[in-house]
Amino acid sequence: LAKTTQPISMDSYEGQEVNITCSHNNIATNDYITWYQQFPSQGPRFIIQGYKTKVTNEVASLFIPADRKSSTLSLPRVSLSDTAVYYCLVGTEGDSSYKLIFGSGTRLLVRP
Amino acid sequence: DAGVIQSPRHEVTEMGQEVTLRCKPISGHDYLFWYRQTMMRGLELLIYFNNNVPIDDSGMPEDRFSAKMPNASFSTLKIQPSEPRDSAVYFCASSLGQSEYEQYFGPGTRLTVT
Repeated sequence: LAKTTQPISMDSYEGQEVNITCSHNNIATNDYITWYQQFPSQGPRFIIQGYKTKVTNEVASLFIPADRKSSTLSLPRVSLSDTAVYYCLVGTEGDSSYKLIFGSGTRLLVRP
Repeated sequence: DAGVIQSPRHEVTEMGQEVTLRCKPISGHDYLFWYRQTMMRGLELLIYFNNNVPIDDSGMPEDRFSAKMPNASFSTLKIQPSEPRDSAVYFCASSLGQSEYEQYFGPGTRLTVT
């Protein structure tokens, strides 16, 4: 069964770097890995996307190993406003056809 | 652009009633996605369209759920008859591509079925 796995929760302090890993063993060959952030009562919001190696933008970095079976979202120097739920989204190829699957989400709490 | 627009924002209905959720995607986006979010099951993809054609509806839970996209600027998700277990937040999202472009999510419709 195609599955996308993330830690349920993480705690951090302001100014620290946070790394959240998503496992996606059955990622589709040509698919991208995308990460989203969600605040309460809002829809998910795009953070970063990549296909392989490393991608960096103004808010995060995304590390993808050569086998692409996992990915790590890195948030440098988190602040209180980064407290949210973070999801990975990948397309997977399992027993049946292609499926777009969100991870279960990682609830990040940033403390002062 | 106003982003993805969903209506209503909140819907409370009684079991057995028909519910229709509406979505207006961002102009020019060829893909439209419907998701359901609950505490127990997280974010689930129900169905998505490409150029108004349904591509994968395997996430639609049962025959009580149906979705249409009559044109590029409008889509509906209908539940008939509704049941208490359908209570959830339903999100619509649109994108330029299936996975190689980011999805833009609407604010969601919070559905409560009593």
